[in-house]
Amino acid sequence: AQSVAQPEDQVNVAEGNPLTVKCTYSVSGNPYLFWYVQYPNRGLQFLLKYITGDNLVKGSYGFEAEFNKSQTSFHLKKPSALVSDSALYFCAVRDLDSGYSTLTFGKGTMLLVSP
Amino acid sequence: DTEVTQTPKHLVMGMTNKKSLKCEQHMGHRAMYWYKQKAKKPPELMFVYSYEKLSINESVPSRFSPECPNSSLLNLHLHALQPEDSALYLCASSRGGNMNTEAFFGQGTRLTVV
Repeated sequence: AQSVAQPEDQVNVAEGNPLTVKCTYSVSGNPYLFWYVQYPNRGLQFLLKYITGDNLVKGSYGFEAEFNKSQTSFHLKKPSALVSDSALYFCAVRDLDSGYSTLTFGKGTMLLVSP
Repeated sequence: DTEVTQTPKHLVMGMTNKKSLKCEQHMGHRAMYWYKQKAKKPPELMFVYSYEKLSINESVPSRFSPECPNSSLLNLHLHALQPEDSALYLCASSRGGNMNTEAFFGQGTRLTVV
């Protein structure tokens, strides 16, 4: 089975500073990787995905992610953090379950951006 | 329209009640999902419908019963739930079962079993 790991429970960053939320993956075959964000008491919002092609993927709200095959990583980045970016972030990988494609999530990383 | 709509937003039910959660999408997606999420934990897959047929049942107790009346609607029928079933229930949809497609999530139903 495919899996992703998010090593940090929480990331703290000051507003205006760059942010990185880490994700590593373990897959057999080609990885199909996703980032989602969840604000309190809300559903998950899709940010970006890596399928193939450029290793730097640009997504919503100024976020981007860097795919690194040699390090099996897919870290989420933003050049300048906003207080409103504070939320729970999930990395996910497409997996095959009983022949059907499903999403498997990492445990999540809480991002706290201080003013 | 990239919206998945879930109703109700909040639900409180007793252990002997029967209730239903509803989910609707009009994006033409043919795969729909139910997830259960506990506080500050990742979503856990419960059911997958593909072309209105139940494709995956992740060993969910029979007190949860999914239904897909048509390609736009997904229901989750609840009966005789336990307090530990209290959670955020998320519905999602995607274009199909392709590996490269993202899923779109609804806002969720916050369920409390008393």
